[in-house]
Amino acid sequence: GEDVEQSLFLSVREGDSSVINCTYTDSSSTYLYWYKQEPGAGLQLLTYIFSNMDMKQDQRLTVLLNKKDKHLSLRIADTQTGDSAIYFCAENAGNNRKLIWGLGTSLAVNP
Amino acid sequence: DTEVTQTPKHLVMGMTNKKSLKCEQHMGHRAMYWYKQKAKKPPELMFVYSYEKLSINESVPSRFSPECPNSSLLNLHLHALQPEDSALYLCATAKGFEQFFGPGTRLTVL
Repeated sequence: GEDVEQSLFLSVREGDSSVINCTYTDSSSTYLYWYKQEPGAGLQLLTYIFSNMDMKQDQRLTVLLNKKDKHLSLRIADTQTGDSAIYFCAENAGNNRKLIWGLGTSLAVNP
Repeated sequence: DTEVTQTPKHLVMGMTNKKSLKCEQHMGHRAMYWYKQKAKKPPELMFVYSYEKLSINESVPSRFSPECPNSSLLNLHLHALQPEDSALYLCATAKGFEQFFGPGTRLTVL
């Protein structure tokens, strides 16, 4: 079946890089997403990658996709305290517009 | 306008009340969603509307009743809820494969 897994917690120092990892099982996934959720807020689409790409960069964010290993990562360069949030990985495995979500990684940035 | 707005921001209701949640977008997106999210968990899909027609109902109890009166509005009517229905209710719209979320309504059922 479809499953998306993430580690639950990550703690980094301000200014360091953060790497959040995600694995998925559905090889037919077409798009993979990273969403950010700050406390008490909705979900913000940070970035997404199409399955025929292996890397996407957007300012401080770098997404790497290893389709063979079904592994997705999000690297945040120069992590700031404002990056503290829960980061959800999600995949879209079909045309029915449903997303399959990971449990979320809680990123804590220490000054 | 690139926003999805939701009202109210907070709602407290008793188990015998009837209330409605409202979602509005002016991005011209033709897919709209309702999600329920418990604290520190991923969102759970409830309903999907495509071109104002209900296309997915994830076996949601009938005490939740969605409505899409036009392409800009999505409502969720609530009746006879249970305390375990307390959660953050999120609306989202989609353009192609990108889903954009509103800020949510924090619902507490007493």
